[in-house]
Amino acid sequence: QVQLQESGPGLVKPSQTLSLTCTVSGGSISSGFYYWSWIRQPAGKGLEFIGRMYTRGSNNYNPSLKSRVTISIDTSKNQFSLKLSSVTAADTAVYYCARDVSLGRLDVWGQGTTVTVSS
Amino acid sequence: QSVLTQPPSVSEAPRQRVTISCSGSSSNIGNNAVNWYQQFPGKAPKLLIYYDDLLPSGVSDRFSGSKSGTSASLAISGLQSEDEADYYCAAWDDSLNGPVFGGGTKLTVL
Repeated sequence: QVQLQESGPGLVKPSQTLSLTCTVSGGSISSGFYYWSWIRQPAGKGLEFIGRMYTRGSNNYNPSLKSRVTISIDTSKNQFSLKLSSVTAADTAVYYCARDVSLGRLDVWGQGTTVTVSS
Repeated sequence: QSVLTQPPSVSEAPRQRVTISCSGSSSNIGNNAVNWYQQFPGKAPKLLIYYDDLLPSGVSDRFSGSKSGTSASLAISGLQSEDEADYYCAAWDDSLNGPVFGGGTKLTVL
């Protein structure tokens, strides 16, 4: 069965770019008709959609983050990545990668990785 | 401020039934399927209900979902201590062009 695993720095300085990677195992990122998504959750708060990408190129980004977000897919490595630029303390959160089966139905999730924005 | 509205907390005794409400609008719940997620502390969310009322394989049939208009509900019957968790509703939003979530409801089994 498909599993997802996030990786990346746990500490990012303000104004810098947050970069995370999600590695897909147990299946090909190119198989099926899935979108590959990023969701975040500040401590003690709810879930927020960041964006998602389809292996054939189309994507959706949260309008509130769109100017700072880039999601890309590397099929050769079976990975997808998140870049969030110009970060502030408000971007401190647990970041999850997830598989979107259809219109936001997130059926497989990574375990999450905590990213703290601090100098 | 979450797009979908849920009660912050609910509580009920073991073996009883509890419902969690989720209110949205015509751009999300009113026009798209509702999904529910269960999250334990320090863990990733888990898909609990999809397409308003369908259970993924392996999810107990003590969980059920329903939807009417721009509102949805999650019901849990035969409450067990292991059901203590946070529950989130979610739905695709046609304006955002992405999924929106409720603020989460913390279930306490008394």
